[in-house]
Amino acid sequence: AQTVTQSQPEMSVQEAETVTLSCTYDTSESDYYLFWYKQPPSRQMILVIRQEAYKQQNATENRFSVNFQKAAKSFSLKISDSQLGDAAMYFCAFSNTGNQFYFGTGTSLTVIP
Amino acid sequence: KAGVTQTPRYLIKTRGQQVTLSCSPISGHRSVSWYQQTPGQGLQFLFEYFSETQRNKGNFPGRFSGRQFSNSRSEMNVSTLELGDSALYLCASSSLLAGVPDTQYFGPGTRLTVL
Repeated sequence: AQTVTQSQPEMSVQEAETVTLSCTYDTSESDYYLFWYKQPPSRQMILVIRQEAYKQQNATENRFSVNFQKAAKSFSLKISDSQLGDAAMYFCAFSNTGNQFYFGTGTSLTVIP
Repeated sequence: KAGVTQTPRYLIKTRGQQVTLSCSPISGHRSVSWYQQTPGQGLQFLFEYFSETQRNKGNFPGRFSGRQFSNSRSEMNVSTLELGDSALYLCASSSLLAGVPDTQYFGPGTRLTVL
């Protein structure tokens, strides 16, 4: 069975600073995909970034980047130059090729002005 | 393109009743997944439908069921409601490329409260 663990229920960061959210997963599959989703307060969940397990290069989307360590089964999200609009619940997710998604319990990020 | 829509947005029911939630995916998306979101539990996968067939199912009791129509719209039904069923129910659609899980696009959710 696949499991996704986010060990930081809450995190905070000063505006303009950098923060890293942790995620580990457990799977016996070799082909899979990893995602970070963002859920702002009372708003819809949206995709932040995705990573294919077969790619060694870490994915980057503007101020968001990941540190994907396949052997360690670790997939952390780094947010640079944090902005007030980054405040949200962040979910790490795993998907196998069968399109079944597994989500972590989330990390609530607070951005301090 | 219009996003994923879910109706109703809010629902209040009493124990023992049943409820049906509806989800309209993004046009062209054939995969629809349902999740239950509760504080502290994150998102728990309920089931996924693709081309009117249930392809994946999470670890929920048989009181939770769903279906998908030929136009990809999906409904989720919960019978004999319990207090613990109070949650935000999210629907997500994706285009599902062959063997490649595509990004899931989420709806706003239906907030179900069971009294």
